[in-house]
Amino acid sequence: EAQVTQNPRYLITVTGKKLTVTCSQNMNHEYMSWYRQDPGLGLRQIYYSMNVEVTDKGDVPEGYKVSRKEKRNFPLILESPSPNQTSLYFCASSFRRGGGPRSRSYNEQFFGPGTRLTVL
Amino acid sequence: AQSVTQLGSHVSVSEGALVLLRCNYSSSVPPYLFWYVQYPNQGLQLLLKYTSAATLVKGINGFEAEFKKSETSFHLTKPSAHMSDAAEYFCAVSDRSNYKLTFGKGTLLTVNP
Repeated sequence: EAQVTQNPRYLITVTGKKLTVTCSQNMNHEYMSWYRQDPGLGLRQIYYSMNVEVTDKGDVPEGYKVSRKEKRNFPLILESPSPNQTSLYFCASSFRRGGGPRSRSYNEQFFGPGTRLTVL
Repeated sequence: AQSVTQLGSHVSVSEGALVLLRCNYSSSVPPYLFWYVQYPNQGLQLLLKYTSAATLVKGINGFEAEFKKSETSFHLTKPSAHMSDAAEYFCAVSDRSNYKLTFGKGTLLTVNP
C-alpha cells in the first residue's frame, strides 16, 4: 500500500531533550516536506527536500533540522525542543507526473497521519 | 509570493443543505489549486485539484470546485451535506516551480442533523 508513515504518532517530552520524528514514504517520491499545524494558523511549511541531499528552509524553520540521506526517509530533528514547538506535525511527499524538464508537476502531496508533540 | 484566504473559519449547515466553502488565492503566476479535508485525528486527504485543465473540478465524496480566474477564487461546493462531511477543510495553492504548497487557515464544517 502506498503511504507516508510517521513515528511516533504521539510524543510528550521536556524542554531541551533532543528528539527525532521519522518520516518514510514508499512511493519513490522525490519531494518531501514537513509542516506544522496550529489552531487558527493552518499548515505552515518547516523544511522541504527536492531530492537526496537537497534540503531547504520553509516558512518556519527555526528550531528544526532535517536530513535526506535516502530517498524514502526525511527525519525531522528538534535539537533542543521548547514549549512553542508543541504542535501537530505532518510529513508529506509528492511525485511528478510525466517526465523530462518541461513536464508538468501537479504537486499532489500525500500526507502522513501526523505526530502530536507536546513539549513541557 | 502566494497566499490563500479562506473566508469563514467555521461554517455550519444542516444535513441535506448546500455546502459552500470559500477560497480566494493570490498568485503572480497561473496556480495549481487544491482542497484537502482533515477528519478528526487524521491526516490530510486530497479532495480535488485544479491543474489548468477544466475549470470545474469534481472530487471525491460529491464535492466540486470551480476555478474563476477573474475572481481569483476556488470555492468548494457540495449540493447536499451529509453528517460524514463534518471535518476541517483546507484550500492550498501551489508554486509550480518549487512544489511548495501554501495553505489557508482552514474552515471547520459542522453538519447539524
